[in-house]
Amino acid sequence: GAVVSQHPSWVICKSGTSVKIECRSLDFQATTMFWYRQFPKQSLMLMATSNEGSKATYEQGVEKDKFLINHASLTLSTLTVTSAHPEDSSFYICSARTGSEYEQYFGPGTRLTVT
Amino acid sequence: QKEVEQNSGPLSVPEGAIASLNCTYSDRGSQSFFWYRQYSGKSPELIMSIYSNGDKEDGRFTAQLNKASQYVSLLIRDSQPSDSATYLCAVNQGGKLIFGQGTELSVKP
Repeated sequence: GAVVSQHPSWVICKSGTSVKIECRSLDFQATTMFWYRQFPKQSLMLMATSNEGSKATYEQGVEKDKFLINHASLTLSTLTVTSAHPEDSSFYICSARTGSEYEQYFGPGTRLTVT
Repeated sequence: QKEVEQNSGPLSVPEGAIASLNCTYSDRGSQSFFWYRQYSGKSPELIMSIYSNGDKEDGRFTAQLNKASQYVSLLIRDSQPSDSATYLCAVNQGGKLIFGQGTELSVKP
């Protein structure tokens, strides 16, 4: 149980374009989903927390107009990187949590490269 | 002071030995603690969660929590080369996980 999928697993895009990443909980309903970014040799950095049906809460320093998060259902959240730049190249990982537990289950991640 | 601190390592142990990974946290009100394993290029995988003082065992893994000392550890018995990875300590604060920087473990055959 507690399987989270992400799509795509990797993506290359040109500077200035937008990229959408999907995160799905496959065998449970995720009341809360989280989006992280990880640069090489660094730990995970939380970008935002999203609850189904409400606006995402962004961490300090994360541009909400650049990283659009939608949590439309209890099994799907999306992250759209708008007007991507090379410095946005990173490993983006989502996680999901049920309402009653604090454990977070991570998706396999999406490696974004902006050229 | 960082909220969650771990020795970055690398920690090198021979195959079959016990690997000991340590973590300290600053928020005395924290109640939930987690250990994740992350292989290079992969996402984190939950190994253990611990909520109460004392030890919690799961197979070759034992998590230890001491809230008075604000200390949580992970012991890996009979370490295998496949255990070589970065181990992340995470503390729940207000519904969010705060991660340490991770300890890189290398198990030598």
